[in-house]
Amino acid sequence: DIKMTQSPSSLSASVGDRVTITCRASQGISTYLNWYQQKPGKAPKLLIYATSNLHTGVPSRFSGSGSGADFALTINSLQPEDFATYYCQQSSTTAWTFGQGTKVEIK
Amino acid sequence: QVQLVQSGAEVKKPGASVKVSCKASGYTFSTYTIHWVRQAPGQRLEWMGWINAGDGVTQYSQKFQDRVTITRDTSASTAYMQLSGLRSGDTAVYYCAREVGFTFGRFDFWGQGTLVTVSS
Repeated sequence: DIKMTQSPSSLSASVGDRVTITCRASQGISTYLNWYQQKPGKAPKLLIYATSNLHTGVPSRFSGSGSGADFALTINSLQPEDFATYYCQQSSTTAWTFGQGTKVEIK
Repeated sequence: QVQLVQSGAEVKKPGASVKVSCKASGYTFSTYTIHWVRQAPGQRLEWMGWINAGDGVTQYSQKFQDRVTITRDTSASTAYMQLSGLRSGDTAVYYCAREVGFTFGRFDFWGQGTLVTVSS
């Protein structure tokens, strides 16, 4: 299976900050990379699919980039509702895998 | 509106099996693939497998290959995940999720999650 590694595992930031989370695949996955947001006790929510496409209803302060094996999720002007855990997930093969998650906490 | 509603929490003893259901509504069940993902307490999301709700074809993670069975009942618009040989490490919230996107697959709708606790 393809291993997905996110960094950092956690970070502290303030409202209004710009935050970047990276995700690295153990092999090339083209642009088959999705990002999800999860809040405690809730199911994940899709933010970005195919590396850089915003899911319906997701604010434009979220953006994604990358290709091959290296990807990034950027949140411009962090809002109070953005404090959550973020996961990358690859769909390049028929066996999908997730990163370990990045927890974004309030500084 | 699309909804995936899962069955309620379960408590099982080690060695037992559990079967979790996921009832879909708001769309044509047989035209999408349903995946199962689990999350142990404080851990990452872990993909378990999927079923094509139309033809019933399945694929499982190598980790669960020998213990998991995913099925569906198209007449009930429901998918099922059965995990056997339960151990304490299987204590987790189990989610079903709908896959969308023919080329770039992703999960657009999720069930609410089902907590499975394995304890003697």
